[in-house]
Amino acid sequence: DTAVSQTPKYLVTQMGNDKSIKCEQNLGHDTMYWYKQDSKKFLKIMFSYNNKELIINETVPNRFSPKSPDKAHLNLHINSLELGDSAVYFCASSQEMALQRGGGETQYFGPGTRLLVL
Amino acid sequence: AQKVTQAQTEISVVEKEDVTLDCVYETRDTTYYLFWYKQPPSGELVFLIRRNSFDEQNEISGRYSWNFQKSTSSFNFTITASQVVDSAVYFCALSERSFGNEKLTFGTGTRLTIIP
Repeated sequence: DTAVSQTPKYLVTQMGNDKSIKCEQNLGHDTMYWYKQDSKKFLKIMFSYNNKELIINETVPNRFSPKSPDKAHLNLHINSLELGDSAVYFCASSQEMALQRGGGETQYFGPGTRLLVL
Repeated sequence: AQKVTQAQTEISVVEKEDVTLDCVYETRDTTYYLFWYKQPPSGELVFLIRRNSFDEQNEISGRYSWNFQKSTSSFNFTITASQVVDSAVYFCALSERSFGNEKLTFGTGTRLTIIP
């Protein structure tokens, strides 16, 4: 059973289109994340959600909108796609960042979605 | 702001050689966590190890070992008797404890190639 899954694995689309990437985790985790990996392999966090509540929103264009229908799912919707959005997008999940747990919970990543904007 | 530096962009070694991947971090927090992830050519990110700032004991797992030294802010990763399957990009990452606002900061990665 896949712990963190993402669909689709590959996404090729035209500039200006709107697309969504779905993420699901079956680990029972409370926190989910979206990361972007650029062509130089640099990984940077975009968003994090804890129990469906937005916790982290890095400097990301507002064309990117995460949505969490429940704590097992965190989808990423991208409007008006641009060439610079081409990247690999990773979803991840971890246990709740409870104060008494001390934080630093391990994040488990999905397989990634390779987005190519033409 | 926290920062992770992996100065080695690419390393190539012949199979069965030992290799060490360097990781140096910067943080102002006293409680933090360090991680290593492996990204093989297939593209997924595989968790390898988590270490908290209060535990400086070195860890060994099979052919993998990690050396954490707070004095030099380093968390280096050694692969002993390397194998072709070890070829991958390896990322070091830092997580600071900040309740309600926790995130991983990744280094730029080291691409390791094991030559058969």
